[in-house]
Amino acid sequence: GAGVSQSPRYKVAKRGQDVALRCDPISGHVSLFWYQQALGQGPEFLTYFQNEAQLDKSGLPSDRFFAERPEGSVSTLKIQRTQQEDSAVYLCASSWYPSGLQETQYFGPGTRLLVL
Amino acid sequence: KQEVTQIPAALSVPEGENLVLNCSFTDSAIYNLQWFRQDPGKGLTSLLLIQSSQREQTSGRLNASLDKSSGRSTLYIAASQPGDSATYLCAVHTDKLIFGTGTRLQVFP
Repeated sequence: GAGVSQSPRYKVAKRGQDVALRCDPISGHVSLFWYQQALGQGPEFLTYFQNEAQLDKSGLPSDRFFAERPEGSVSTLKIQRTQQEDSAVYLCASSWYPSGLQETQYFGPGTRLLVL
Repeated sequence: KQEVTQIPAALSVPEGENLVLNCSFTDSAIYNLQWFRQDPGKGLTSLLLIQSSQREQTSGRLNASLDKSSGRSTLYIAASQPGDSATYLCAVHTDKLIFGTGTRLQVFP
């Protein structure tokens, strides 16, 4: 079946521009996660949804970052007034399980964001 | 604060060698530990997941061990192949998934 998909795959933004990154999880997956991966680093947790509820947003680096999952399926990560330090790959993952922590998370290919 | 460290950061070996990748973590209170593979420009593929009550998992040429009390895991790759070239990431599950910085592996023919 279809895996996790993300769009766009690449995004170039001018500093100060707003961007929106989309994640389509595997159908029926309860949990959805966003991660930020800087060049040469491992992914870092941003936020977690269980269905439509955002249960953990402790990893969001600033109030310029906002995520939503209004119908418990597709999720959007929005970054307002982008800064150069926001340049990274943004990964989305989903899981069948409510916590998503005790079983495998399935990752999308990521969106590579470059802020000029 | 949980920290995950992987050594070596990079490894280049000829085809056929047996390899050991190391992962260490600072807090033993984990649900499980997972090894992933990441190819350039692609997402992460799960290789092995070891529950906290287990000591090892095997899949094909891959074997991962977990010593929770000492905060260590190793990924053993037998008879390496050029197709194994990728970045290998370990991650521990606490209240979230915490990743190491990865080992970049290159296997040349």
